[in-house]
Amino acid sequence: EMQLSESGGALVQPGGSLRLSCATSGFPFSSYAMSWVRQAPGKGLEWVSSISGPGTTTYYVDSVEGRFTISRDNYRNTLFLQMNSLRAEDTAVYYCGKLYSGSYFDSWGQGSLVTVSS
Amino acid sequence: EIVLTQSPDFQSVTPKERVTISCRASQNIGNNLHWYQQKPGQSPQLLIKFASQSFSGVPSRFSGSGSGTDFTLIINGLETEDAATYYCHQTTGLRQTFGGGTKVEIK
Repeated sequence: EMQLSESGGALVQPGGSLRLSCATSGFPFSSYAMSWVRQAPGKGLEWVSSISGPGTTTYYVDSVEGRFTISRDNYRNTLFLQMNSLRAEDTAVYYCGKLYSGSYFDSWGQGSLVTVSS
Repeated sequence: EIVLTQSPDFQSVTPKERVTISCRASQNIGNNLHWYQQKPGQSPQLLIKFASQSFSGVPSRFSGSGSGTDFTLIINGLETEDAATYYCHQTTGLRQTFGGGTKVEIK
């Protein structure tokens, strides 16, 4: 059974930094692209970033480009999101998702809440 | 960026009724359109992949159609457990996008 579990969410001040982790099991992690998707309170889903299976290619939504960095450790089967220069509008539940053939999400984590507030 | 526009935003429906949700893309995305269901406090769950292919374990009352720019999710015979928000999602090109969501409430 595929499992994804996020951690690292917290309350952080504007301008601060945070690193999210997504531990996975039950599938060959290095063979699949992975993504982060966020959901602000009471709002819809927003794709944030994706990374290829080997970790050589990354993509970001414009609003986080230059502030967030996605990475992965294929030995530890773990996905990361380093978030710097955080803003109030980054407040959201952050989900990690497994992309099947780079297309649809066939598995999601339970989410990790990031709150940016003074 | 490819924009996905869902309609309606909200729908209040009686059990056993048919529900139709539309998703329109700002440019041709072929069949790279997927549908998810999200219940309150839960992660999204895949319903339909590549516009019309049902995902494993999804009840047969859920179906999808469309290609190019116009897509539809149909729930044939709504059940109370189907109360949720439904999202379309496209994966054409380098950057993915989601539709704004359609909340389905049970009357």
